[in-house]
Amino acid sequence: KAGVTQTPRYLIKTRGQQVTLSCSPISGHRSVSWYQQTPGQGLQFLFEYFSETQRNKGNFPGRFSGRQFSNSRSEMNVSTLELGDSALYLCASSWDSSNQPQHFGDGTRLSIL
Amino acid sequence: QQQVKQSPQSLIVQKGGISIINCAYENTAFDYFPWYQQFPGKGPALLIAIRPDVSEKKEGRFTISFNKSAKQFSLHIMDSQPGDSATYFCAASREGSGTYKYIFGTGTRLKVLA
Repeated sequence: KAGVTQTPRYLIKTRGQQVTLSCSPISGHRSVSWYQQTPGQGLQFLFEYFSETQRNKGNFPGRFSGRQFSNSRSEMNVSTLELGDSALYLCASSWDSSNQPQHFGDGTRLSIL
Repeated sequence: QQQVKQSPQSLIVQKGGISIINCAYENTAFDYFPWYQQFPGKGPALLIAIRPDVSEKKEGRFTISFNKSAKQFSLHIMDSQPGDSATYFCAASREGSGTYKYIFGTGTRLKVLA
């Protein structure tokens, strides 16, 4: 069974640009969550999508948004990029939105110049 | 109230020794406590998880001990091996929706000496 796939693995952007990251969950998983990982702040929850609806949202500004498609694939968008957005962005999937084990992808490393 | 405090920040253990990592939480609404292992360049991988109705759970060399009254839980790695050298994260989660669905500890960097 294929794991969680995130694309691209690496991205370099400049301040003010926007970026879209993609996540394909494990087959059959309907919940997708996004996290930001930085050395200073650790792993921080961004948002969770289930059945194309955002169910939970962390404490991030509105520049961070996401969506989920009918096949459970998810995208995350960050607009007006800032230097502080440089991080590893991780996606995790689980069967549903209850307290189920989450399976992480290897992330997208975003660097802002 | 939404934090999960993890200690120590780093840990060095001899091969064959026991590695112990501790976490403490404040929000009693949390009802699912997983531990993750992360290697450089990889995403976190679920190791073992526990729910509050159980005080201990063991899977191979990994054991979670859970103290509901003290709001603490810990990971014990028995017979630690050099291949266990990684960063370990505890987490706390709760049912339902809201801002603090999944809270992670700050991580413990474990190094097992051969």
